[in-house]
Parts: sequence; C-alpha cells; structure tokens
Amino acid sequence: AQSVSQHNHHVILSEAASLELGCNYSYGGTVNLFWYVQYPGQHLQLLLKYFSGDPLVKGIKGFEAEFIKSKFSFNLRKPSVQWSDTAEYFCAVNVGGKLIFGQGTELSVKP
Amino acid sequence: DTGVSQNPRHKITKRGQNVTFRCDPISEHNRLYWYRQTLGQGPEFLTYFQNEAQLEKSRLLSDRFSAERPKGSFSTLEIQRTEQGDSAMYLCASSPMTEAYSPLHFGNGTRLTVT
Repeated sequence: AQSVSQHNHHVILSEAASLELGCNYSYGGTVNLFWYVQYPGQHLQLLLKYFSGDPLVKGIKGFEAEFIKSKFSFNLRKPSVQWSDTAEYFCAVNVGGKLIFGQGTELSVKP
Repeated sequence: DTGVSQNPRHKITKRGQNVTFRCDPISEHNRLYWYRQTLGQGPEFLTYFQNEAQLEKSRLLSDRFSAERPKGSFSTLEIQRTEQGDSAMYLCASSPMTEAYSPLHFGNGTRLTVT
C-alpha cells in the first residue's frame, strides 16, 4: 500500500539553526509530492509542491525541498529557522487524485 | 477566495447519536475531500467527490459513515451511531482540478468529541 513516512515526530531547534525534515514515500507510479504546514490554531496550508522538472523546489517563507527519486525521498529544508516557523509539518504524496499524508513532524523553535 | 468553510467548529455528542457536518468548498472548486485527523497523526483520507459524483471511499471507512454532495456544491458527512473511537478532527478540502494534481485547500475542521 502507498504510504508516507516522516522520520521525526518532534524537532526542537534554536532560532537561526538549519532545518531538515525527512520524508520517504512508498509509491511506484509517477509522484506528485507536497509539504503542508499547520500553524497553531490554523488550517493546513501548502508550503511547496513537486510535479516534475527541477527536483529542487522552493516554497513560501524560505522553505525548499529536494526530490531524490532513487531514495524515494522528499526532504524539507530551511537554512535558518525563525520562532514563527513553530508548527506541524506534513509530507504528502498524490495517489490517484487524493493525498496520502505522513504522520507529521512537530517543529518547536526556541527564541 | 473566501476559503473552505466547515460547520460546526466543535461537536460534542453522546455515544450512539448521529451527527452531521457540513463543508462549503471554494466556489469554483469541483473536487471536495473529507479527511479525519487524530492527535499525533496526519490526515487520513475518507472520501472524495468530483462535482456531485463520489469517486472514492476509503476501505477503512465504516458503513456508519456516509457523505453526500448534492448539486456539486456543499457536502455533508454523517456519522450514524457514533462511537468513542470516532472522536477526531474532521477536515474538508477542495481543489480546482485545473491541473492534473492540484493542491488541496483545507478548512479549519470540525472537532468531534464522543462521550
């Protein structure tokens, strides 16, 4: 069955630290990949998406992700996090028109 | 773009009662999705519609759950004979289907508590 695995449940960083959140997917077809973010008390919002072409995609708020087909991975990165990046982050893969989500990674950034 | 609207925001019900939630998608979006999310987990797919047609329903979904989207506009999700295990956040999302795999736009969800 198709699935998405996020390696870290909870990540704690200080401001200005670099961030990398892992995401691996299990799906044999053409992949369309997404990262969503959920700030406290808010709805899920799209951070970035990968459809095809350049495997390094840039999203909002300085986030980027790299699609590595050979590793079935789509890791999220940010060079320098801010306190306002405190949120829950979800990786997702599109399978037959619907999104399959990972279990999420909670990011806490200490000021 | 007024966003995806879900009502009610919170619902507390006793075990065995029926509940119904409503979702109003972004007006020009023809795809509508229902997801369920429990604490510490990602959203779990329940079902989705393209216009008024229900295209897929999760095999994990009990027969107590039913969703409708009459006239391809708003949608309702009904849970009959609720159980404590149904307690969760129920999320609705919509997408425009303007490209092969359009991102989903989510609502704020309806939190269900079954006592």
